[in-house]
Amino acid sequence: EIVLTQSPGTLSFSPGERATLSCRASQSVAGDQLAWYQQKPGQAPRLVISGASSRATGIPDRFSGSGSGTDFTLTISSLEPEDFAVYHCQQYSSPFLTFGGGTKVEVK
Amino acid sequence: EVQLVESGGGLVQPGGSLRLSCTASGFSFSSYAMIWVRQAQGKGLECVSYISASSSTIDYADSVKGRFTISRDNAKNSLYLQMSNLRAEDTAMYYCAKRGPAGSMDVWGKGTTVTVSS
Repeated sequence: EIVLTQSPGTLSFSPGERATLSCRASQSVAGDQLAWYQQKPGQAPRLVISGASSRATGIPDRFSGSGSGTDFTLTISSLEPEDFAVYHCQQYSSPFLTFGGGTKVEVK
Repeated sequence: EVQLVESGGGLVQPGGSLRLSCTASGFSFSSYAMIWVRQAQGKGLECVSYISASSSTIDYADSVKGRFTISRDNAKNSLYLQMSNLRAEDTAMYYCAKRGPAGSMDVWGKGTTVTVSS
């Protein structure tokens, strides 16, 4: 099983700042099959990035994903008030889908 | 509108059983793999079970193997999770999600709450 580690658990920013979130895999994620999801309190997760770098439908271009192998990054270029949330990474290569523990992006 | 709606959650005693359902609409349900994901209060996401479009491939997290059974009825656009021998640690919000063409989960339901307590 591929274990995904997201650290730190919480990041604090002011609106307008650039946020960089990390997701590290215990072994290489084949085909860069890694996704990022945004989750707000009381809501279901929402797909943000798939294939490590492709934005999902309706996701603004301030969101970008990068990385390959075992190290992946989600970048929010300029935080808007609605971006403060928890972000989860997920690998969907094999043998079983696994998630990281999540990173909360909070207002400083 | 593409939509997933879960139902069947509730309060159950340890050792009891529950059957969750997920009804899909707005897309060709029979063409896509589906998963169940759970989230305990204040915790991260855990993939519980996976089923391919034709039900030919099924898999479970080790934490539920032997206790949970996933199934689907493509004629009814429905996904199911039969949960038995429930434990306190199964208490969580349970989401169903669609696996999109890119492989990631592109549609999620709002979830149904399962509480295992005496």
